[in-house]
Amino acid sequence: KNEVEQSPQNLTAQEGEFITINCSYSVGISALHWLQQHPGGGIVSLFMLSSGKKKHGRLIATINIQEKHSSLHITASHPRDSAVYICAVSNSGYALNFGKGTSLLVTP
Amino acid sequence: DTGVSQDPRHKITKRGQNVTFRCDPISEHNRLYWYRQTLGQGPEFLTYFQNEAQLEKSRLLSDRFSAERPKGSFSTLEIQRTEQGDSAMYLCASSIDSFYGYTFGSGTRLTVV
Repeated sequence: KNEVEQSPQNLTAQEGEFITINCSYSVGISALHWLQQHPGGGIVSLFMLSSGKKKHGRLIATINIQEKHSSLHITASHPRDSAVYICAVSNSGYALNFGKGTSLLVTP
Repeated sequence: DTGVSQDPRHKITKRGQNVTFRCDPISEHNRLYWYRQTLGQGPEFLTYFQNEAQLEKSRLLSDRFSAERPKGSFSTLEIQRTEQGDSAMYLCASSIDSFYGYTFGSGTRLTVV
C-alpha cells in the first residue's frame, strides 16, 4: 500500500498569506491528486498531475517524482479557501490512496 | 448532467437495521468507486466498478457490505445489520479512466445509533 503523508495536519493563516501544504508518498505512482473538501463532505478535484507544475488561479501544484513529494501552494489566501486539502495518489491500479488531509483556516 | 449524485445525503438508522445508498455517476464515466471516510481521516477505498463489473473490493468491505452496479449505470451500496462502527461518510466517485480526474459526489453521512 502506498503510504501518503501530509503536513501540516492543521494550518491557520491570515488573509493574504502564502500557504504551502506538503505531501509525500512511499512508492511510485501514476498520478497525484489534490482535492478540496468543505464541511459537509463534498470533495472537489483541484489538480491531477504526474510531473512538473500546474496552476489554476491562485492555486499552484508541483510534484517531484524523484523525491516522491508534492506541494500545493495558495497565493493571496482568502477566508473562502478555508477547507480540508487532501492529497491522493493512484498507481496502475484502480483506487486512490488518500492522505489524512490538511485542515486550513484562513482568518480575515 | 450536473455531476455525481448521491442519495440520501444523511441517514440515521438503528443498530441492526439494513441501509442502502445510491450513487448516480456522470453518464459517460464507466468507472465508479465507493469510499468511506471517518472523522479526521482521509477517505478509504471500499470497492470499484468498471461498467457493471465489480473489479476490486477492499478488505474493509465485510460480508455485511454489498455493492452493485446493474447495467453499468447507477450503483447501490447496501450495509446489512448495521453496527455503530459503520457510522461514516460514504463517498462515491466516478471517472472516465485512470488518466482523467475523478468527480466526487457529496456523500451520504450514515449515523448508526
